[in-house]
Amino acid sequence: AQTVTQSQPEMSVQEAETVTLSCTYDTSENNYYLFWYKQPPSRQMILVIRQEAYKQQNATENRFSVNFQKAAKSFSLKISDSQLGDTAMYFCAFMPYGQNFVFGPGTRLSVLP
Amino acid sequence: NAGVMQNPRHLVRRRGQEARLRCSPVKGHSHVYWYRQLPEEGLKFMVYLQKENIIDESGMPKERFSAEFPKEGPSILRIQQVVRGDSAAYFCASSPLERGTYGYTFGSGTRLTVV
Repeated sequence: AQTVTQSQPEMSVQEAETVTLSCTYDTSENNYYLFWYKQPPSRQMILVIRQEAYKQQNATENRFSVNFQKAAKSFSLKISDSQLGDTAMYFCAFMPYGQNFVFGPGTRLSVLP
Repeated sequence: NAGVMQNPRHLVRRRGQEARLRCSPVKGHSHVYWYRQLPEEGLKFMVYLQKENIIDESGMPKERFSAEFPKEGPSILRIQQVVRGDSAAYFCASSPLERGTYGYTFGSGTRLTVV
């Protein structure tokens, strides 16, 4: 079975500090995408960052970056210069080519003023 | 540039009633997906549809649940004879290309509460 594990149910960080959310996954597939989605209280699922498994270079999007370790099946998200608007649930997900999303259970991040 | 539109945003049903959830995909997207999010959990795949066809319903309960995506109009997820365990947020997503590629857009979900 394909699974995604997020071992931190809740985390908090001070505004302007850096925080890292962890994610591991289990799959026998070799070709897949990895994602981090943000879900604020509005419930909207917002794509934060996306990585293709065949690319060794870690993806970055402004203050968001990932540490992708394919052999270890690890895909952590680093948020730099945390802002109050980053407060949300964060879901790690992967999608094998031609298949459906598999989401983790989420990490609730609180950014403290 | 409207995204995926889901309605209603909130739906309350009594046990035994029917729930109908609507999803209008992004204009030009012909692939629609339904996911369910139980409280404090991640989204779980239910069904994948293209226009007038169900491609994959492996995540959908065998009874009481059905989905359609007609040639004209929104995609509909229908739950008959709802039970308390159906209470969840139901998300729709659409994409311009077939499953397993990129370009997915999610709606804001419908929160179904069964009382």
